[in-house]
Amino acid sequence: AQSVTQLGSHVSVSEGALVLLRCNYSSSVPPYLFWYVQYPNQGLQLLLKYTTGATLVKGINGFEAEFKKSETSFHLTKPSAHMSDAAEYFCAVGGNDYKLSFGAGTTVTVRA
Amino acid sequence: GAVVSQHPSRVICKSGTSVKIECRSLDFQATTMFWYRQFPKKSLMLMATSNEGSKATYEQGVEKDKFLINHASLTLSTLTVTSAHPEDSSFYICSAKRGEAFFGQGTRLTVV
Repeated sequence: AQSVTQLGSHVSVSEGALVLLRCNYSSSVPPYLFWYVQYPNQGLQLLLKYTTGATLVKGINGFEAEFKKSETSFHLTKPSAHMSDAAEYFCAVGGNDYKLSFGAGTTVTVRA
Repeated sequence: GAVVSQHPSRVICKSGTSVKIECRSLDFQATTMFWYRQFPKKSLMLMATSNEGSKATYEQGVEKDKFLINHASLTLSTLTVTSAHPEDSSFYICSAKRGEAFFGQGTRLTVV
């Protein structure tokens, strides 16, 4: 069984400030971990993913995440927020079958 | 890149009617497709796994007679919501797997 907990349903940051979105997972198999972004009434866009190998993963739009097995975490960060980062963010866990379990999502708002 | 297209992107239907949603992998063949449902301001829930040429595998709690899934070819899976009711109103998203999974843009279903 797999599950994801996203801490904080809503995060508000100032433009230019650090964005930190927290994700903890549980998995009975070696996890594949994902972060997706969703804009209103749109599908999911993959930001980044961890499958194997390097634990620090860099994605699109300046985002990165670090897989920490000992902490069962996969937190997402971006050094400097931009107005265009305002969206819903989902952390997901799966195996190599890509059947994904999603977290509840975190809404990011960016203040000018 | 891999493109997954859903059609329609938005549909309104009357209560009691059936509606079909298509999920197509445009530039690759997908042996497996997944159907997710997203309630308003909620996370995505996996409904079923669709394998080409075989019956879909439904997640616990999902009514297979209500949500009919057909995976007729390696590029097309369809989800038919039968005898739709207002509580079936939701955002439905598919993903198609070839190596990794790629998401469609989603279909907003409103039952009136």
